[in-house]
Amino acid sequence: QSALTQPASVSGSPGQSITISCSGISSDVGGYSYVSWYRQHPGEAPKLIIYDVINRPFGVSNRFSGSKSGNTASLTISGLQAEDEAHYYCSSSASSSTPLFGGGTKLTVL
Amino acid sequence: EVELVESGGGLVQPGRSLRLSCAASGFRFKDYTMHWVRQSPGKGLEWVSSITWNSFNTRYADSVRGRFTISRDNANNSLHLQMNSLRAEDTAFYYCAKDRVGGGINYYFDSWGQGTLVTVSS
Repeated sequence: QSALTQPASVSGSPGQSITISCSGISSDVGGYSYVSWYRQHPGEAPKLIIYDVINRPFGVSNRFSGSKSGNTASLTISGLQAEDEAHYYCSSSASSSTPLFGGGTKLTVL
Repeated sequence: EVELVESGGGLVQPGRSLRLSCAASGFRFKDYTMHWVRQSPGKGLEWVSSITWNSFNTRYADSVRGRFTISRDNANNSLHLQMNSLRAEDTAFYYCAKDRVGGGINYYFDSWGQGTLVTVSS
């Protein structure tokens, strides 16, 4: 299995919205609703921010939202804040398979 | 509050072995599937291995199958990763992670340790 495809970098200004894509194939992202997103600040461990494509864990801001269309999942961050500057990783796990991660996207808040 | 603390990392020569441990607290450890996820310095995340609450089901990435063994001690709230025949490409931070939901495996890592660095080099 190949890693999921994410853009290497995205950027936005404070207050704007950005979207990070995560492309897979029909046997992972496209075929199941087992998509999650993680945020990782430098020197820290990743943090789960979206699971089951659209759900947010308790305590995660509603500025984060997830969606999926076909073989591509997306993470949208609205009202960008300086603290959102980080790396973001998507992950997908088919029901009986093992998880794949995307290569990661570096978000820069201008 | 969930706390996961990894230990056991270090510098090791290719072909040698290392055993990582993860001490868990703040939740009912025996109810949850646990995972190891690694990250080469400056690189992305790679799932390594998982073990169900009762140790009946273990899974491994193709890159480590046959060399790494995951285990757990529910009596002592600890997770382990025995790494044999280490290679340079195993160099990474190794994170212990808790599954989001108790019972089965859903590969949503909702709590992570701070990581322990394994460096494989001669």
